[in-house]
Amino acid sequence: EIVLTQSPGTLSLTPGERATLSCRASQSIGRYLVWYQQRPGQAPRLLIYDASIRATGVPARFSGRGSGTDFTLTISSLEPEDFAVYYCQQRNDWPALTFGGGTKVEIK
Amino acid sequence: QLQLQESGPRLVKTSETLSLTCTVSDGSMNDKSYYWGWFRQPPGKGLEWIGTIYYDGTSYYNPSLKSRVRLSLDTSQKQLSLSLSSLTGADTAIFYCASGRVYMVGGFDVWGQGTMGVVSS
Repeated sequence: EIVLTQSPGTLSLTPGERATLSCRASQSIGRYLVWYQQRPGQAPRLLIYDASIRATGVPARFSGRGSGTDFTLTISSLEPEDFAVYYCQQRNDWPALTFGGGTKVEIK
Repeated sequence: QLQLQESGPRLVKTSETLSLTCTVSDGSMNDKSYYWGWFRQPPGKGLEWIGTIYYDGTSYYNPSLKSRVRLSLDTSQKQLSLSLSSLTGADTAIFYCASGRVYMVGGFDVWGQGTMGVVSS
């Protein structure tokens, strides 16, 4: 089973700052990585698929990059609604899927 | 616009079976470009994939749950179904259904609001 490790566990930032979230896979997954945002009390929201392609309606301040085992989600300038938990998910073993443990972006 | 809505009993007894339904708002279930998934999230914890099902009923399951889970779909009723048997307290979670398109390479872009399933003796 491919294990995804997200870091940091919690990121404390202020609105307007840049957020950089990491997701590392236990073995190469090519570009088969997805990012989700989950706000409190809400279902996950697809942000990025195929490592770097923004889903429909996702603001340009969200960007993803990486391949192989190391991936990054960057939020260029945090808006109040961006404070949430972010999960990465791999599909290299499709249809088997696994998630990372999540990174919480909180207001400092 | 596609919408999903989960429904089912909120409280189920230990050792029994949880049966959930996901109602699909449009005719997407007949579209080969869609896939459908079920996920769960224990209170305060992360996301776990339960299984994925295609328009033709082909389904795949999380190996850790495979012996206890079954997915099905009814295109005439526009409904997906999840059955999880031999329940324990560790199965208490919010359960989500979701859909994705094949070009999203494993991503799910439409999610239901989720339904809480509590397992208690």
